[in-house]
Amino acid sequence: TQLLEQSPQFLSIQEGENLTVYCNSSSVFSSLQWYRQEPGEGPVLLVTVVTGGEVKKLKRLTFQFGDARKDSSLHITAAQPGDTGLYLCAGDQTGANNLFFGTGTRLTVIP
Amino acid sequence: EPEVTQTPSHQVTQMGQEVILRCVPISNHLYFYWYRQILGQKVEFLVSFYNNEISEKSEIFDDQFSVERPDGSNFTLKIRSTKLEDSAMYFCASSVLSGNTIYFGEGSWLTVV
Repeated sequence: TQLLEQSPQFLSIQEGENLTVYCNSSSVFSSLQWYRQEPGEGPVLLVTVVTGGEVKKLKRLTFQFGDARKDSSLHITAAQPGDTGLYLCAGDQTGANNLFFGTGTRLTVIP
Repeated sequence: EPEVTQTPSHQVTQMGQEVILRCVPISNHLYFYWYRQILGQKVEFLVSFYNNEISEKSEIFDDQFSVERPDGSNFTLKIRSTKLEDSAMYFCASSVLSGNTIYFGEGSWLTVV
C-alpha cells in the first residue's frame, strides 16, 4: 500500500488568510490529483498535475507537483468561508486511475 | 453536465445478507471503478473494470465482492455475504479512458447491522 500523507490534518483559519496544504509520499506518481469532498458526497476533482515541477492555478488555488513527482502542495490565497471542506490528494502510479488517496485535510475558514 | 449516478443512496442490511449497489456511469465512458470510504478513513480503491472484465483489484476486493455490467448502462457491485466491517460509503466512478479524469458518483452509504 502506497502512503500519501497530508498535512495538516485539520486547519482552521480566518477569512482572508493564506494557507498551504501538503501531500507527501516516498513513492513516485505518474500524476497527482486534488479533490474536494463535501460531507455525504463523492470527491470532486479540482486539478490534475502530471509533470514534475508543474504549477497550476485555479482562481485563488495554486497547485504544485514536486520535481521528483513524490509530493504536491495546494496553496489558497485569501481564503473564503466557501473554501471550507475536506481536501484530498490522490496519486496515480500507473496511469490506470487506481488512485491512492491521502489522509485528507479538513479546512475551516471562519468569517 | 453528465454525472455518475448511484442507487441506493443509503441501505441498511443485516450481516450475512447479499447487497447489490448500482451505478450508471457517464454514457461515453469506458472505464468504471468502485471505491469505498469507511467512516473517518481514507477513500480506498476496490476495483476497475474495462471491456466487461476486471482490470485491477485491490486486496480489499476478495471473493465476497463481484462486479458486473448486466446491460449497456448499469455497473453493479455485489457483496455476497455482508460483514459489519463492510459498512462504508461506496463510490462508483468512471472515466473515458484509463488515465483520464475520473468522475465520482455521490456514493451509496451501506450500513451492516
